[in-house]
Amino acid sequence: NAGVTQTPKFQVLKTGQSMTLQCAQDMNHNSMYWYRQDPGMGLRLIYYSASEGTTDKGEVPNGYNVSRLNKREFSLRLESAAPSQTSVYFCASLRLWNTEAFFGQGTRLTVV
Amino acid sequence: TQLLEQSPQFLSIQEGENLTVYCNSSSVFSSLQWYRQEPGEGPVLLVTVVTGGEVKKLKRLTFQFGDARKDSSLHITAAQPGDTGLYLCAGDFGNEKLTFGTGTRLTIIP
Repeated sequence: NAGVTQTPKFQVLKTGQSMTLQCAQDMNHNSMYWYRQDPGMGLRLIYYSASEGTTDKGEVPNGYNVSRLNKREFSLRLESAAPSQTSVYFCASLRLWNTEAFFGQGTRLTVV
Repeated sequence: TQLLEQSPQFLSIQEGENLTVYCNSSSVFSSLQWYRQEPGEGPVLLVTVVTGGEVKKLKRLTFQFGDARKDSSLHITAAQPGDTGLYLCAGDFGNEKLTFGTGTRLTIIP
């Protein structure tokens, strides 16, 4: 059982480049999330999707876009990467009955 | 923005000691979770609390949810090096917008 799968695991971008982080879950969860985690900080919510076809902004959405492609997949796009977006990005899906979030392994992104 | 504040931010204690970490919010939670995160990994759920005043135990870990459902604590008895990690609380304020606290980085010294 794969759970939540994120790709890539590591990425280095130059300022101004674009990229898409991919996330897929095989647990049939409706809700999916993208967080970023910076040193010494907890997880900050970028965007979330409560169901297929819906997306909402979180705490730090600027500079990002998302697509809920289907129930399984939720992608995060950086259109023009900036050094301030250097971070570890986590995708998660939510099991509603006990509000348990399942996380991917994370993507370590460096923007130079 | 619904904020969750955790304290302390860092805690370093000797093996065998007891400790308590706290999670506080100005808003009422529908439910609250505690997660532990190890380096290079995503957070993993420890417990979910839902009812005000609820106490749950997981081996040497005791979780308490405040009566007003605005705060929670995690108490570890006889800490062991394997307890080292980042402890995160997360709150659901009834809108499926799962919000995480700033975390407590715990180090247990053998």
